[in-house]
Amino acid sequence: NAGVTQTPKFRVLKTGQSMTLLCAQDMNHEYMYWYRQDPGMGLRLIHYSVGEGTTAKGEVPDGYNVSRLKKQNFLLGLESAAPSQTSVYFCASSYTDRFSYEQYFGPGTRLTVT
Amino acid sequence: QQQVKQSPQSLIVQKGGISIINCAYENTAFDYFPWYQQFPGKGPALLIAIRPDVSEKKEGRFTISFNKSAKQFSLHIMDSQPGDSATYFCAASIGGNNRKLIWGLGTSLAVNP
Repeated sequence: NAGVTQTPKFRVLKTGQSMTLLCAQDMNHEYMYWYRQDPGMGLRLIHYSVGEGTTAKGEVPDGYNVSRLKKQNFLLGLESAAPSQTSVYFCASSYTDRFSYEQYFGPGTRLTVT
Repeated sequence: QQQVKQSPQSLIVQKGGISIINCAYENTAFDYFPWYQQFPGKGPALLIAIRPDVSEKKEGRFTISFNKSAKQFSLHIMDSQPGDSATYFCAASIGGNNRKLIWGLGTSLAVNP
């Protein structure tokens, strides 16, 4: 099993350009999440999904859109990139049951917006 | 508003020493408290977790201590090793259909050889 994979690993964008980050998981997890990580800011939730076809806003959703058309994939879009979106983006997936709730993280995408 | 407050921001410990990281929370509805470990260039990974019906959980050199009345929990790393050098995040979660984690800001741990 590959676990959680993210594409691409690195990307440089110019201000105003658009891009889509792809997250894929092969663990049949219902829940998927997109985070951004900035120095001193911890992990901030951008959007999440509790199942195929559903999405919800997290803590910092502005400037991002997401889609979950297939259970295994969760896409994060930047329609018009801004330098403030320079960050490391992590995707995670999880199951949840009565006794456990573990999020499995991908390796991250380092995005620079110039 | 930070619902989970983590301290210290950074920590330096000598090899063989005890590393202690603390977290405090506000919301008494939280029912799951994990600690994640993140190495440079990697995504976080679950280290150990606890539910509020127990006061302590131990896995190898890692122990969570939980104080429900004080709304605090802490991670203790016994016999700290240079390989433990990483960033540690505490988190908390509420059950239900929209379960997600509320994260602390992280502690950067350096274990000197």
